[in-house]
Amino acid sequence: KNEVEQSPQNLTAQEGEFITINCSYSVGISALHWLQQHPGGGIVSLFMLSSGKKKHGRLIATINIQEKHSSLHITASHPRDSAVYICAVTSYNTDKLIFGTGTRLQVFP
Amino acid sequence: GAGVSQTPSNKVTEKGKYVELRCDPISGHTALYWYRQSLGQGPEFLIYFQGTGAADDSGLPNDRFFAVRPEGSVSTLKIQRTERGDSAVYLCASSPGGAVRGAFFGQGTRLTVV
Repeated sequence: KNEVEQSPQNLTAQEGEFITINCSYSVGISALHWLQQHPGGGIVSLFMLSSGKKKHGRLIATINIQEKHSSLHITASHPRDSAVYICAVTSYNTDKLIFGTGTRLQVFP
Repeated sequence: GAGVSQTPSNKVTEKGKYVELRCDPISGHTALYWYRQSLGQGPEFLIYFQGTGAADDSGLPNDRFFAVRPEGSVSTLKIQRTERGDSAVYLCASSPGGAVRGAFFGQGTRLTVV
């Protein structure tokens, strides 16, 4: 079993829809990261959080430490949001990032 | 520079050859990470440097892989006797003081072994 699990693996949506991507992890963490990767592109950090909730524009990230679960929400989705969204954690006993396999999102006009 | 720079962006090599991949981190970032991403997968950890020393090299798959960071800035990932299974995107990231403070990624080097 992977230490970081994401769902769904693939997601399609119509422009304007509200989107939720989920991440569960099984290790103790010091931080959780949400990252965005466009085809052929590098990885961009969206959020880093260790508790509560963060918001940036149409993106919202939440984390529940007790349940070891995080969600990434996109409000009023747009075709330019189409990308792979990756959840990653920094565990307590090492400083490396442990990645989920990503969620491929396609938003159609 | 403004961001993490990786060169080359693409590399095609023949099986059995030696390759070097370069990462130029953000100036002043002490931590540097190498990851490998196969098609359809999330990145997998290879090695992490804090300054000049490898703090964690547990992700290197075998002794054909080696990485250096001699002056605590630029790092080179070296792969000997390349195999087709080494084909992947190799990602570098840097951080001001460890992944808990946020990691900044380069665009990656796409390595294809034919």
